[in-house]
Amino acid sequence: GAVVSQHPSRVICKSGTSVKIECRSLDFQATTMFWYRQFPKKSLMLMATSNEGSKATYEQGVEKDKFLINHASLTLSTLTVTSAHPEDSSFYICSATPTGGNSYEQYFGPGTRLTVT
Amino acid sequence: AQSVTQPDIHITVSEGASLELRCNYSYGATPYLFWYVQSPGQGLQLLLKYFSGDTLVQGIKGFEAEFKRSQSSFNLRKPSVHWSDAAEYFCAAIPRGNKLIFGTGTLLAVQP
Repeated sequence: GAVVSQHPSRVICKSGTSVKIECRSLDFQATTMFWYRQFPKKSLMLMATSNEGSKATYEQGVEKDKFLINHASLTLSTLTVTSAHPEDSSFYICSATPTGGNSYEQYFGPGTRLTVT
Repeated sequence: AQSVTQPDIHITVSEGASLELRCNYSYGATPYLFWYVQSPGQGLQLLLKYFSGDTLVQGIKGFEAEFKRSQSSFNLRKPSVHWSDAAEYFCAAIPRGNKLIFGTGTLLAVQP
């Protein structure tokens, strides 16, 4: 149980285009989902907290107009990287906290490797 | 600055040998503490967590961790490493609220 999927697992896009990454909780509902970014040989950095039905809360230094987050249902959150540039190339990982469960529990997706050319 | 520190970037051990991965935190109050493992192409999997109580925590896959308040540490151990344990290991903490703060990770290589 508690499986989180991400789609796509890998995407290459051209500079200036937008790309959408989906995060789904497959066997549970998640009021709260999180988006992380992982740089090579670096730790995971929290980008934003996504709450179903409300606006996401972004961490300091994360451009909300560049990284659009939508959490329209209890099982799906999307991250759209708008007008992507090579410096946006990274590994993006989402996690989800089960609704009604321990708020400290996070189940992680397998990640999406974004390459911007 | 408040943080989670993993001093070892890369560790190599022989299969069957014991393992200890170090983790230190710098928060005023004891945070909730976690160890995750990340295999190539896979998401993070929770190995174990510490909230309170018994300072020796048992996890999955034969791992355990010991919380030491005096040293602000939460080191991960395994008595006998298997080749399948090769992966990257992240220590993490929740100092307040529900935001996970990750260490920089330790890459474990296992020699046959």
